[in-house]
Amino acid sequence: QKEVEQNSGPLSVPEGAIASLNCTYSDRVSQSFFWYRQYSGKSPELIMSIYSNGDKEDGRFTAQLNKASQYVSLLIRDSQPSDSATYLCAGPGNTGTASKLTFGTGTRLQVTL
Amino acid sequence: GAVVSQHPSWVICKSGTSVKIECRSLDFQATTMFWYRQFPKQSLMLMATSNEGSKATYEQGVEKDKFLINHASLTLSTLTVTSAHPEDSSFYICSAGATNSPLHFGNGTRLTVT
Repeated sequence: QKEVEQNSGPLSVPEGAIASLNCTYSDRVSQSFFWYRQYSGKSPELIMSIYSNGDKEDGRFTAQLNKASQYVSLLIRDSQPSDSATYLCAGPGNTGTASKLTFGTGTRLQVTL
Repeated sequence: GAVVSQHPSWVICKSGTSVKIECRSLDFQATTMFWYRQFPKQSLMLMATSNEGSKATYEQGVEKDKFLINHASLTLSTLTVTSAHPEDSSFYICSAGATNSPLHFGNGTRLTVT
């Protein structure tokens, strides 16, 4: 069983809408999770990290972690065409440290005009 | 913030030759770096963990004699693809992070073996 699972998509949302990306994990001891954005042909770029239960907001992005249910999500408000990319969920990591991560397969997001 | 530099960004080589890829942490020291490979439309696959001053730890199924990793300093890890074959053509990406910070990725190296 994979440690981190994501729906591969594609997830299509209209410009200006909220995009909701989800990720589940199997390790109950997991401390921290990360969301990376990867444009086609490019390497992943860190956009959010979350270490504790609840919500964490950064601009148009909100990460949500629910350790009891073992899922982590990423909400993108006011979606823009430039948000079209593959979003990778990664974990588990030791809080804040540069530790070995397992990546989900990624969810491809398409923001349509 | 943490900056990871990878070189070269792309390389074309002939079958049977070896290719070296460098990964540098520019503004922090990295005792550990990670090497990934990604085939088109597939997820990142961890190949190995590069440990400064000691042997790399390879993931199951990755040939350590084919993918040589050297991490001789706190800011540089190298991956050498030896006797490259067309099936080794892929996107190779390194990552590293400073103490108490998340991982950041290099820009990746696109390897094409002809």
